[in-house]
Amino acid sequence: DGGITQSPKYLFRKEGQNVTLSCEQNLNHDAMYWYRQDPGQGLRLIYYSQIVNDFQKGDIAEGYSVSREKKESFPLTVTSAQKNPTAFYLCASSIDSQETQYFGPGTRLLVL
Amino acid sequence: GQQVMQIPQYQHVQEGEDFTTYCNSSTTLSNIQWYKQRPGGHPVFLIQLVKSGEVKKQKRLTFQFGEAKKNSSLHITATQTTDVGTYFCARGSNYKLTFGKGTLLTVNP
Repeated sequence: DGGITQSPKYLFRKEGQNVTLSCEQNLNHDAMYWYRQDPGQGLRLIYYSQIVNDFQKGDIAEGYSVSREKKESFPLTVTSAQKNPTAFYLCASSIDSQETQYFGPGTRLLVL
Repeated sequence: GQQVMQIPQYQHVQEGEDFTTYCNSSTTLSNIQWYKQRPGGHPVFLIQLVKSGEVKKQKRLTFQFGEAKKNSSLHITATQTTDVGTYFCARGSNYKLTFGKGTLLTVNP
């Protein structure tokens, strides 16, 4: 069963803590993306990676970090420097950076 | 920035009525993609338009790309309750997609 998985579905974090969101795909896609979604804001790009061992900042990268050590995995770390981290986080992948994006089910992060 | 503007932000219709959402850009678009996100769900790809003046249909959904490639529209004929959700357009450029803020469609049965 191919696709993109994100875990966990819900995540609670205390202020001042870093937290890592998982994103895995078995579609053999080169490109992967992280978006943040807030009500009324649509999807905003945090980081993207066109190929393994390479990634670029998106529009709202401050307070976030990523790694792309494997083609299948693109974890996102929300650091304590992110002042307003409560949001819905979506991971996506595509065959290459010009093509259709396939989204995972998302992780809802809530800061307590 | 290379943004795309979507209007309206919200649309409420009676079941059976038609619905249209528009996507506009101040610069020429190389392509435009449309996605649908059901409440509580994740965006799902609907279609990609590439050619000037292109029109594509998927059952009750009609997608158009403007002649100048600066705007696009999604039209739903005779809406059903299953059409509820947020419809996003997205422009492709610089190895990434830039999404509009979406149009939230609600349908009264």
